Amino acid sequence: GQNIDQPTEMTATEGAIVQINCTYQTSGFNGLFWYQQHAGEAPTFLSYNVLDGLEEKGRFSSFLSRSKGYSYLLLKELQMKDSASYLCAVRDLGGQNFVFGPGTRLSVLP
Amino acid sequence: GAVVSQHPSRVICKSGTSVKIECRSLDFQATTMFWYRQFPKKSLMLMATSNEGSKATYEQGVEKDKFLINHASLTLSTLTVTSAHPEDSSFYICSARDRDSTNYGYTFGSGTRLTVV
Repeated sequence: GQNIDQPTEMTATEGAIVQINCTYQTSGFNGLFWYQQHAGEAPTFLSYNVLDGLEEKGRFSSFLSRSKGYSYLLLKELQMKDSASYLCAVRDLGGQNFVFGPGTRLSVLP
Repeated sequence: GAVVSQHPSRVICKSGTSVKIECRSLDFQATTMFWYRQFPKKSLMLMATSNEGSKATYEQGVEKDKFLINHASLTLSTLTVTSAHPEDSSFYICSARDRDSTNYGYTFGSGTRLTVV
């Protein structure tokens, strides 16, 4: 079966750092993706991990531990525009399909 | 970069009518497209996988006769919601796979907000 879990909501202050966790139990694994989605818009790609470790991309970093079925997205120097939903998605072994987590709604406060 | 155009962005239709949503890959060939549905404050749920020139693969619980998918060319897939009812109101998003894309091959369309009245 497929199960991906994320916190439903998080709140942080402008300029701070926030870590959004994602745990997964899937029948196959071929990469973990993080997407940002503003209300009423399509998701936009943030990061991709297929090997264990940290991938850094500007203010955003993503970490993966395959043995623990765990990933996190780290957002630094938070800005108001970072208020959005953040979706964790696991790609299956065939490399075709994604299973999306429930998403975490992040609110950045002044 | 890869662009996927989805049209219309918003549509309101009467109950019992059909609505067609188009998803086009503008600068790449998409042999596979995916159709998702998203309810308010919920995550994306895969409805079906559309393969060019063949029948779509539907996820469990998705009625293939209600949600008709056609992928007649390498750049166009369509989703038709037939005999729409208010419970079909949702946000529908397509994505397409581009192997040459820097985001590891998956680009989303801008979504279609369907409201059935």
